[in-house]
Amino acid sequence: GQNIDQPTEMTATEGAIVQINCTYQTSGFNGLFWYQQHAGEAPTFLSYNVLDGLEEKGRFSSFLSRSKGYSYLLLKELQMKDSASYLCAVLDSNYQLIWGAGTKLIIKP
Amino acid sequence: GAVVSQHPSRVICKSGTSVKIECRSLDFQATTMFWYRQFPKQSLMLMATSNEGSKATYEQGVEKDKFLINHASLTLSTLTVTSAHPEDSSFYICSARGLAGINEQFFGPGTRLTVL
Repeated sequence: GQNIDQPTEMTATEGAIVQINCTYQTSGFNGLFWYQQHAGEAPTFLSYNVLDGLEEKGRFSSFLSRSKGYSYLLLKELQMKDSASYLCAVLDSNYQLIWGAGTKLIIKP
Repeated sequence: GAVVSQHPSRVICKSGTSVKIECRSLDFQATTMFWYRQFPKQSLMLMATSNEGSKATYEQGVEKDKFLINHASLTLSTLTVTSAHPEDSSFYICSARGLAGINEQFFGPGTRLTVL
């Protein structure tokens, strides 16, 4: 079966750095997405990785290792507005998105 | 970036009535649209995939006669929840995939459905 694992909840301090991990086992791989979702809102796109390595975009970076079935989202200089759920999703061989359950990130002052 | 709208954003209806939710791609043509449902504190659950001009493909466990999907044009898909019941209360989100790229989905803002 297809499976995506990420921690349920994480807590971090304003101004600090946090890394949210995601491991996956899917039938085929056509890329991995990270989305941010605030409560009561739809997901918003953060990053897309299809090749191994680190993609940096401002305060957010995303890493992928296809051989290990592993990705992480790195958030730097945390701000209170970063409190949200972060969803990892993999595009499988049928170009269908397989979603993780999401990681709720709590930022404390 | 690509914009997807949903209407209405919030709807409250009585049990037994039908509710229609519209999903529109505003600045691109969406060959494929996806309908998701999300219950509180849970992840997105794909309900169905619709391609313009053809019947929708429903995920296992989703009743096609209850959740009617129409994708009549390259910019509009509708989801009709028929004979709604309180357990259908949820956050419904559509997303769209354009002609140019097959990898990214653009999400609408979601529709909060409450069935009394």
